[in-house]
Amino acid sequence: DTEVTQTPKHLVMGMTNKKSLKCEQHMGHRAMYWYKQKAKKPPELMFVYSYEKLSINESVPSRFSPECPNSSLLNLHLHALQPEDSALYLCASSQQDTSYEQYFGPGTRLTVT
Amino acid sequence: QKEVEQNSGPLSVPEGAIASLNCTYSDRVSQSFFWYRQYSGKSPELIMSIYSNGDKEDGRFTAQLNKASQYVSLLIRDSQPSDSATYLCAVYGQNFVFGPGTRLSVLP
Repeated sequence: DTEVTQTPKHLVMGMTNKKSLKCEQHMGHRAMYWYKQKAKKPPELMFVYSYEKLSINESVPSRFSPECPNSSLLNLHLHALQPEDSALYLCASSQQDTSYEQYFGPGTRLTVT
Repeated sequence: QKEVEQNSGPLSVPEGAIASLNCTYSDRVSQSFFWYRQYSGKSPELIMSIYSNGDKEDGRFTAQLNKASQYVSLLIRDSQPSDSATYLCAVYGQNFVFGPGTRLSVLP
């Protein structure tokens, strides 16, 4: 079963709101990822967790805060976002590190007003 | 020079033809190569991974890797309208990078 789930599917938030995106996988994978994707662009890597530890942070602004409560769950906490942060946020997981195949969830479409 | 480049699209092929998608990369120590398909409004779906030089076939899809030329390609045989999507090449070397994607249209 190569399934990664994400909630919510859609999210609209104001610039002063705090919200969280959630991701879950039950494939026994030990690496999980957050990507941001703008229209007609490839996904941009934001964060990588490997064995529940943050291993890569691609210079993402602090208004995005990742959290990995356990090996199956990944959260992305959002605070004081800007309209330009509106995008599709994708979660992915892989068996171990980024040399392995990554499987993507359906994404959360975020709109910041 | 961009780390991963793909042939600029859109690429249009008639139904039943072979679609050829190309990708070049700059990091000589790259060791893992992936092709993803992404339909409009959906998330990327893994089609194929390839790690060693040569061809790898899976159904109508064939991935070809040439590390000496720093080149990886994806061939889609008997193209169907349902293959119309954006195809993303991804490379793992010193870091993990997606190419810009090539949009493929298969015309009935």
